Amino acid sequence: DAGVIQSPRHEVTEMGQEVTLRCKPISGHDYLFWYRQTMMRGLELLIYFNNNVPIDDSGMPEDRFSAKMPNASFSTLKIQPSEPRDSAVYFCASSSGGQGADTQYFGPGTRLTVL
Amino acid sequence: GENVEQHPSTLSVQEGDSAVIKCTYSDSASNYFPWYKQELGKRPQLIIDIRSNVGEKKDQRIAVTLNKTAKHFSLHITETQPEDSAVYFCAASLRYSTLTFGKGTMLLVSP
Repeated sequence: DAGVIQSPRHEVTEMGQEVTLRCKPISGHDYLFWYRQTMMRGLELLIYFNNNVPIDDSGMPEDRFSAKMPNASFSTLKIQPSEPRDSAVYFCASSSGGQGADTQYFGPGTRLTVL
Repeated sequence: GENVEQHPSTLSVQEGDSAVIKCTYSDSASNYFPWYKQELGKRPQLIIDIRSNVGEKKDQRIAVTLNKTAKHFSLHITETQPEDSAVYFCAASLRYSTLTFGKGTMLLVSP
């Protein structure tokens, strides 16, 4: 398996522009997580899905952020409009669920810079 | 919700020494405690985990201990090597499959 795939790996955009980050989880995994990592706040869970359904989006910072999972193999995280404080590394992770919590496998991340 | 505290924030050791990183968690219902290693510019990767029905787990030079009564768990790395230099994150799972991460420990191993 190729592991969790994210695109793009790097994104540089200007304030006010729409940004879309993409994630393909490991095949067969039924949980998908979006995290944001910054020096100041560490790793923050933004939202997670189970069987393509959003379960908890309490970590989404504000209405400018939205996430979708139209099918088991694809998810997007959208920021519209983007702001400089959104600059961070965004990770997608997936896990297989099962009895209790299971290992989360992270993608390579998208480094977002908003100018 | 769950809160995870991790100490120290940075740790410098000489090659061959042992390193210990400690974490505490707030919710006694947490039952899964993984440790992730993140090298510079890379993704976090699981190195070892422990579940609440186990007190200690070892994997070669790495071990994790769990004290559920005190609500703390620790990562022990023996015979450290320069390639162990990275940021290490502890985490605790309160709800099914969600993790709350500590702030991380930057481990520097000097040759």
